Amino acid sequence: AQKVTQAQTEISVVEKEDVTLDCVYETRDTTYYLFWYKQPPSGELVFLIRRNSFDEQNEISGRYSWNFQKSTSSFNFTITASQVVDSAVYFCALTGSARQLTFGSGTQLTVLP
Amino acid sequence: GAVVSQHPSWVICKSGTSVKIECRSLDFQATTMFWYRQFPKQSLMLMATSNEGSKATYEQGVEKDKFLINHASLTLSTLTVTSAHPEDSSFYICSATHFRDHEQFFGPGTRLTVL
Repeated sequence: AQKVTQAQTEISVVEKEDVTLDCVYETRDTTYYLFWYKQPPSGELVFLIRRNSFDEQNEISGRYSWNFQKSTSSFNFTITASQVVDSAVYFCALTGSARQLTFGSGTQLTVLP
Repeated sequence: GAVVSQHPSWVICKSGTSVKIECRSLDFQATTMFWYRQFPKQSLMLMATSNEGSKATYEQGVEKDKFLINHASLTLSTLTVTSAHPEDSSFYICSATHFRDHEQFFGPGTRLTVL
């Protein structure tokens, strides 16, 4: 069975602060994929990143960065210099051999001006 | 590329009626499509997995006779909510994938309100 835990239900920061969203996962698969999605109030899921289990390199994309650590089964997401437009619900998700996505419970991020 | 559309984007219906939601992959062949349901302030919960040309596989607790899924072609899957009731009001999201890929491409969602 797969499980994704996002312990932070809600986070509130002031604009320009850095913020890290935590994600911890459980899986028995040796090959698996991790994802982060953004869900703004409109509801449409926006894909942010995919990482496979064999690639532990951290990734940076503009103000976004991801820290994948297999040793702690974590795939954390950091937004640097947050902006109001970053306000949304962020989901971490996992897929493995069954190809079904398991979502975490989501973190509601509010960036205040 | 990898665009998935859903129609309608929102629907309001009376209790007891049936509602059909379409999910289309516009620029690729989707061998597998997934249907999710999301209640307010909750996560996405997988309802069923459908492979083109075969019967859908439903998750535990999802009534297959109430949520009819058809995946008759490589670009179209439909979800029919039969005899809808207010508790079926939710945000329904589909996703599509090709058998070679582990990434799912999501539709924009359909907001169903049953009065």
